[in-house]
Amino acid sequence: GIQVEQSPPDLILQEGANSTLRCNFSDSVNNLQWFHQNPWGQLINLFYIPSGTKQNGRLSATTVATERYSLLYISSSQTTDSGVYFCAVDSWEGGFKTIFGAGTRLFVKA
Amino acid sequence: SAVISQKPSRDICQRGTSLTIQCQVDSQVTMMFWYRQQPGQSLTLIATANQGSEATYESGFVIDKFPISRPNLTFSTLTVSNMSPEDSSIYLCSVEGSGYDTGNEQFFGPGTRLTVL
Repeated sequence: GIQVEQSPPDLILQEGANSTLRCNFSDSVNNLQWFHQNPWGQLINLFYIPSGTKQNGRLSATTVATERYSLLYISSSQTTDSGVYFCAVDSWEGGFKTIFGAGTRLFVKA
Repeated sequence: SAVISQKPSRDICQRGTSLTIQCQVDSQVTMMFWYRQQPGQSLTLIATANQGSEATYESGFVIDKFPISRPNLTFSTLTVSNMSPEDSSIYLCSVEGSGYDTGNEQFFGPGTRLTVL
């Protein structure tokens, strides 16, 4: 089945720093999403981005479907950005399902 | 987007007992999904619940352990049966978006945090 790999697994930033999170996937996908799971466990949709580039405030994402990767950019990080960032892709193998990467755990220090 | 609620938000249960988790969506959806997130881990799909048919379970999950109901297009339940400490996890319900721009975007409920003693 499709594999989703995220890097880095862990990241510590000083408040105000920028960072790039990466998601590689092993096969062609029709859909890709980025989520932020806050410390209370809530999954928050960041981007629905099967291809191209999108921006939302300090966050932006780029997916290059032909090269099977997506990047999430966080600029001017804030302590509230802390949590786990997941990349997820859709698979139709054996029925529709969403496959999650292992996540990048981010801690932003004040 | 879809607004999803789950009950209970958290629970502490004794081993050998069962817990039923409810998921309510503010709009009609065809497919509802149940996920498990074990401590410090990513999300794993348990099953897909379609209204009017049996749920489809992923490898490693069986109906006897995780029975699912889907009585209508806005509601589903997941039961965790005969619980053991290994069942301690966050259980999340999700649905697909229904708009043109969000046709396959997944939206998640707030989760149910289960601790089994």
